[in-house]
Amino acid sequence: QSALTQPASVSGSPGQSITISCTGTSSDVGNYNLVSWHQQHPGKAPKLIIYEGSKRPSGVSNRFSGSKSGNTASLTISGLQADDEADYYCCSYAGSSTPVVFGGGTKLTVL
Amino acid sequence: EVQLLESGGGLVQPGGSLRLSCAASGFTFSSSAMTWVRQAPGKGLEWVSSISGSGGNTYYADSVRGRFTIFRDNFKNTLYLQMNSLRAEDTAVYSCAKHPGIAAPIDSWGQGTLVTVSS
Repeated sequence: QSALTQPASVSGSPGQSITISCTGTSSDVGNYNLVSWHQQHPGKAPKLIIYEGSKRPSGVSNRFSGSKSGNTASLTISGLQADDEADYYCCSYAGSSTPVVFGGGTKLTVL
Repeated sequence: EVQLLESGGGLVQPGGSLRLSCAASGFTFSSSAMTWVRQAPGKGLEWVSSISGSGGNTYYADSVRGRFTIFRDNFKNTLYLQMNSLRAEDTAVYSCAKHPGIAAPIDSWGQGTLVTVSS
């Protein structure tokens, strides 16, 4: 039940694009197309922004996109806005005994 | 609108017990898998436990297995987490979350309830 690996922090200027990686193993990220990404503003509940690797829930901006290659999933945010400043967590299904595993979280700072 | 409202948190001494509740509304509760997630102060999200829609299948993180029990009442649309033998490292905000199935992604979260384990 090891956590997925994310960078602790990333930063970018308004209008730029950033990418957050999420590295797992062949038992979780690499074995299933079931990675999701969640955005959490300080003091708020997390919000689902990407599921099944690259799908966006209704109402989520198309500036958010997801992808996967091997054991690593990625979240890209284009056209950075001040409100994007938040913590981002990846999450994956990891099999019948561990249905949920999270990454350690990445703090995005918009400069 | 999906609503998940946790309650039952508070201050408890090491070795003590606490039962958390999560009242759900706005969706078909019995068709949804449910999960407890915790977040220690200043830390990231940690999966605690999940339960299938029927309640027949339960799953636990190694850190809580044998001490915590997840269960649900589909007539009351309520999820529970019974926490026994609490330790200081269990101190966190505990949130409930829903997903369409046990392998499906979490799609809604509650705000959480704070559990503090301290003497």
